[in-house]
Parts: sequence; structure tokens; C-alpha cells
Amino acid sequence: EPEVTQTPSHQVTQMGQEVILRCVPISNHLYFYWYRQILGQKVEFLVSFYNNEISEKSEIFDDQFSVERPDGSNFTLKIRSTKLEDSAMYFCASRSGGSETQYFGPGTRLLVL
Amino acid sequence: GIQVEQSPPDLILQEGANSTLRCNFSDSVNNLQWFHQNPWGQLINLFYIPSGTKQNGRLSATTVATERYSLLYISSSQTTDSGVYFCAVLVGFKTIFGAGTRLFVKA
Repeated sequence: EPEVTQTPSHQVTQMGQEVILRCVPISNHLYFYWYRQILGQKVEFLVSFYNNEISEKSEIFDDQFSVERPDGSNFTLKIRSTKLEDSAMYFCASRSGGSETQYFGPGTRLLVL
Repeated sequence: GIQVEQSPPDLILQEGANSTLRCNFSDSVNNLQWFHQNPWGQLINLFYIPSGTKQNGRLSATTVATERYSLLYISSSQTTDSGVYFCAVLVGFKTIFGAGTRLFVKA
């Protein structure tokens, strides 16, 4: 069964460094999403992406965040200058055009020191 | 904005028991999904259920959209059912998760 994949599974970075989190959505899907989950808390929406542009973003998704679909398969989340409070699990999700069901990747656990 | 509330926040069951988890939402939504987050952190789709009732094995879900709630039923619970159960609603292109119900099933 097709699945969403994410790399890396874990990343440790120093405060102020840039990180890029990578996702490979399911191949025929058209809508892409990033979420984050701070340890022990609920999942929070960051951004949705369709047709090579942002559809909607949350108040969390400020200027330090950006998303890109650099080719036909990858979907990336860049955090320009990481802060301690960016430490979280980041999930990518995708869905097809014919269904509202979102499929989640396994997540990238980001730790900012 | 729309509010999504889940109850109970925590639940401890003996293996074999049944349970009902509730999700209330404050406004009309385009869809609703239930997820299980296992102890390893993976988010697993359970149901996409904007309205009506669906069943999958020991799990079933009912959404009454006009009354703005959804229920997830777990029957004959097993230790592998432990984890956090989230409901999530889609409003436009934005998905809003509830705070979850943390379930622990004792052997």
C-alpha cells in the first residue's frame, strides 16, 4: 500500500541553524500538508499546499517557515533560523483530489539545542 | 475559530472492555477524521466520517453533523489499542485537531 515517507526520522540542530524536512507524498496525491506536535500536546496545523502554492497557513507558520515542492515527488518544510520552541515532531500528510482522507507520514522529530 | 473538544481526556480500561470516545465541534465542518497515535508516535487513519456510521472490525464511528459531534466506539479492547485518539475536522484547507483522548488498556 502506498505511504507517505519522511526524512530524516530524527534531527538535532543548534538554535539559529536552518533545517529542511523532507516528505515524499503518495504519488497521485494533489494536496499536501505540514503539521507539528510538541511533545505531549495536540497536533497543530501549519500549512496546506495545492497547485504549487500555499492554500492556507496557520498563525504558527510565520516568516521563518517556508514550503516548497522542488520536483514532482518531494515536499519540503524549511525552518530558516530555528528556535528552542521549534522542537517538536513534524508530520507531513497528503490526500488525493477525489478524497478528503489525509494520510500521514511517520514524522520527523526535531530537537533544537 | 472552530473549537474541537474531545472527552474524556484520559481513559483506563481493562482488556476486553468497551468504550466510547466523543468529539464535539463548534461549527459546521467539511469532514471529520479519527486517528490513532500509537506509542511510537505514528498517526494512523481510523475513519473518514463527515456523517453517518462506519465500522471496521472492533472499531466503529458515528458522526451526527447536525448536532456537531462524533463518537468512536472501541469494543473488546486490546492492549494494542493503547495510545492517543484524535479527531480532526477540516475547515476550508485547514485541519483542526482536538486535544485527544489518551487510552491505556491494561492486560
